[in-house]
Amino acid sequence: DVKVTQSSRYLVKRTGEKVFLECVQDMDHENMFWYRQDPGLGLRLIYFSYDVKMKEKGDIPEGYSVSREKKERFSLILESASTNQTSMYLCASRDYDQPQHFGDGTRLSIL
Amino acid sequence: QKEVEQDPGPLSVPEGAIVSLNCTYSNSAFQYFMWYRQYSRKGPELLMYTYSSGNKEDGRFTAQVDKSSKYISLFIRDSQPSDSATYLCAMWGGSNYKLTFGKGTLLTVNP
Repeated sequence: DVKVTQSSRYLVKRTGEKVFLECVQDMDHENMFWYRQDPGLGLRLIYFSYDVKMKEKGDIPEGYSVSREKKERFSLILESASTNQTSMYLCASRDYDQPQHFGDGTRLSIL
Repeated sequence: QKEVEQDPGPLSVPEGAIVSLNCTYSNSAFQYFMWYRQYSRKGPELLMYTYSSGNKEDGRFTAQVDKSSKYISLFIRDSQPSDSATYLCAMWGGSNYKLTFGKGTLLTVNP
């Protein structure tokens, strides 16, 4: 079974802080994704990485950056957290042309 | 027109009922179709994965794809209280890696 692990289930931060969300997968998958999920808006893609050190912007990249130094790890960075970034953040990974598998999410609150 | 339309519900049924969940889509390039189940405060879990038109059965679950009508369905037979969750349809196709999600249908199965 695919295992996608997000480092924190719940996180509370203050506005202006730099926030790191970590995601690790154990299946040697090429592709990794970061989404946010908000009521009424569904899942929205923030960033995508198709290989180590490679990344592409998704639909809502503003205010976020990503890092993929190793194949199994994909980090989402909030450069200067704002209250409108309070959300559920979901990481996913997949092998080429296979469905995505998700982690359990990080519920992030920005105060 | 949105790319993927899914009735958000909520849908409430008695235990043992047959449940039908549906999505319509507009992009004829979509070839891969998925259903995810998401329990409260958890990440989406892959339930069914189908390629192109036809039916796929897995235990109490049947996924149906009708590409001519751009319509996909998930049927749950003998529904159980443990099936209570949000069900998300998702699809992708062509050269686009990106998954397009429905907004999800909230299902409650009452004992």
